[in-house]
Amino acid sequence: QVQLVESGGGVVQPGRSLRLSCAASGFSFSSYYMHWVRQAPGKGLEWVAVISYDGSSEYYADSMKGRFTISRDNSKNTLYLQMNSLIPEDTAVYYCAKDRTDCGGGACYSYFDYWGQGTLVTVSS
Amino acid sequence: SSELTQDPAVSVALGQTVRITCQGDSLTYYYASWHQQKPGQAPLLVIYGKNNRPSGIPDRFSGSSSGNTASLTITGAQAEDEADYYCDSRDSSGNHWVFGGGTKLTVL
Repeated sequence: QVQLVESGGGVVQPGRSLRLSCAASGFSFSSYYMHWVRQAPGKGLEWVAVISYDGSSEYYADSMKGRFTISRDNSKNTLYLQMNSLIPEDTAVYYCAKDRTDCGGGACYSYFDYWGQGTLVTVSS
Repeated sequence: SSELTQDPAVSVALGQTVRITCQGDSLTYYYASWHQQKPGQAPLLVIYGKNNRPSGIPDRFSGSSSGNTASLTITGAQAEDEADYYCDSRDSSGNHWVFGGGTKLTVL
């Protein structure tokens, strides 16, 4: 079965960096786009970034572009999120999510079909 | 980027039908999908595409769309359906994704 296991969260001071990992299993990791989504305490879900199946394309939410970098190692079935210049507003549970795209009837649509359990990042002095 | 708008809270009597809506310009181009999130848990996909349910999701959950509005309907709501529900879709650029603010469903 599909499993996504995030790690690397913790408490970090403002201005510092942190790298999150997401270990994937149960599916052909190198065939799927992957996302990071975050959720601040008591708040809603916020999309962070997506990376193509081979790592050749990356897109970021405007508020995180330039500070966060998404990457993947298909040989290790692992997704990463490098977070630099962290600010208190980055405090959140960070989820990795698998993308699936289906096509039919002349249209394609994508959705997050599996989620990890999340890892908490707290930015505080 | 686009925004998706959801009502913050909705309530339904046990066994009755409830509709949760999601509005946004991007929904005229892209299907919404819907995720259920219970306290302390990760989100769980419940509806995707035109009206598809992942394996294991009860058939009381259904989805529909009209113009710039997507809807999640729960027919015969159960106590275990009490949760936060989020819609999402690609935004108008096609390269970013956006979530609605979430709807807290209370089953009375």
